[in-house]
This record gives sequence, C-alpha cells and structure tokens, in this order.
Amino acid sequence: AQSVSQHNHHVILSEAASLELGCNYSYGGTVNLFWYVQYPGQHLQLLLKYFSGDPLVKGIKGFEAEFIKSKFSFNLRKPSVQWSDTAEYFCAVNAWASGSARQLTFGSGTQLTVLP
Amino acid sequence: DARVTQTPRDKVTEMGQEVTMRCQPILGHNTVFWYRQTMMQGLELLAYFRNRAPLDDSGMPKDRFSAEMPDATLATLKIQPSEPRDSAVYFCASGSTGYDEQFFGPGTRLTVL
Repeated sequence: AQSVSQHNHHVILSEAASLELGCNYSYGGTVNLFWYVQYPGQHLQLLLKYFSGDPLVKGIKGFEAEFIKSKFSFNLRKPSVQWSDTAEYFCAVNAWASGSARQLTFGSGTQLTVLP
Repeated sequence: DARVTQTPRDKVTEMGQEVTMRCQPILGHNTVFWYRQTMMQGLELLAYFRNRAPLDDSGMPKDRFSAEMPDATLATLKIQPSEPRDSAVYFCASGSTGYDEQFFGPGTRLTVL
C-alpha cells in the first residue's frame, strides 16, 4: 500500500527565512503528487500539483516543489516565508496501478509557524 | 465561484445521539470523499464515492457510521450512536476525477460530550 511521510511535524521560522518541507512516498510506479495548505480554522486548499513533465512545479503564493523520482521525494520550498504562511501543510500522493488511480493518501502534515 | 458546502459547521451533541452531516459537492463533480481530522490521527479517509456509488469505505467504522449519496448534489455521513471519540472535524471533498485535485469543504466540527 502507498504511504506518505512528512518527517517534520512542526517547523518554526522567522519571516524572510527560506523554507523546505520534506515529503517522501513509498510507491515505485506512476504517481500524482500534491501539496495542500490548511490555514488556521480553514479547509484544505491546493498549493500545487505534479502529474508529469518538468519536475520543478510552481504553485500559488510563491511556493514550489521538486519531484525527485530516484529519491521518492516531493519537497516543498519557498525562498522567503511570511507571517501569513503560518499554516499546516499536507503532502498527498495518488498512485496509479493497473491503469487506474487509487484515492489520495495524505501525509500527517507539517505545522509551520512563522514568527514576525 | 464553485465551492463544496457542508452543514452544519459546528455540532455539539451528547453521547448516544444520532448525528447527520451533509455535503453538497461542486456541481459536475462525480467523486466525493469524506475525511476525518483529529490531532492524534491527522487526516483519515472515511469513504469515497464515484458517480454516487461507494467505492471504498474501509476507513469507516461500519457498526456506527454510514455514508450515502441520495443524489448527485447531496452526500451524507451519519453516526449512530455517537461516542466522545468521534469528536473531530469532518471534511467533505469533491473532484471531477478520482486522481486530480480535490476541493474541500469548510468542515463540520463535531463535539460529542
């Protein structure tokens, strides 16, 4: 069964610091990859997604992620975080098997706190 | 701007009572998902529908939970009887396919006393 690991449970940064959140998945076949963000008290929203093509994906609000197939990773990055980026970030994977996709599997989430 | 809607937004009930949560997926979306979010367990998939048919409800405690889609515009999640350990935020999400972006609703915060 596919699984998603987010090793950082809580990250605390100062404004303007650079961000990298780790995401690793366990599945050797074709995958679709997503990062979602959940601001305090709100629902999950899509930040970015990767299906195929350029492994460096740019999303909303200055976020980007790089798919490294050999490392089974899809790390999220932002060069300079803002206080408003304080939120929980979820990596999610959809694995393809036998020509169809399984449902999305979410990681446990990483809480990002940005200090003003 | 199309959104997934959920009602109620907040529900406080006593142990043993029946709870029904409702979700209206985005018009035209044929896949609907129910998730439960808690501090301890994170985000868990409870059930998954495609074209109103349940495809996977293995994440759902069968003895007390049930999920249905009476029509394409309404999905329901029912807990009977409710227990304190059911306290969580329940999210509904919909999508146009089973493998692309899911659009989440605002959630129902359930508290069972």
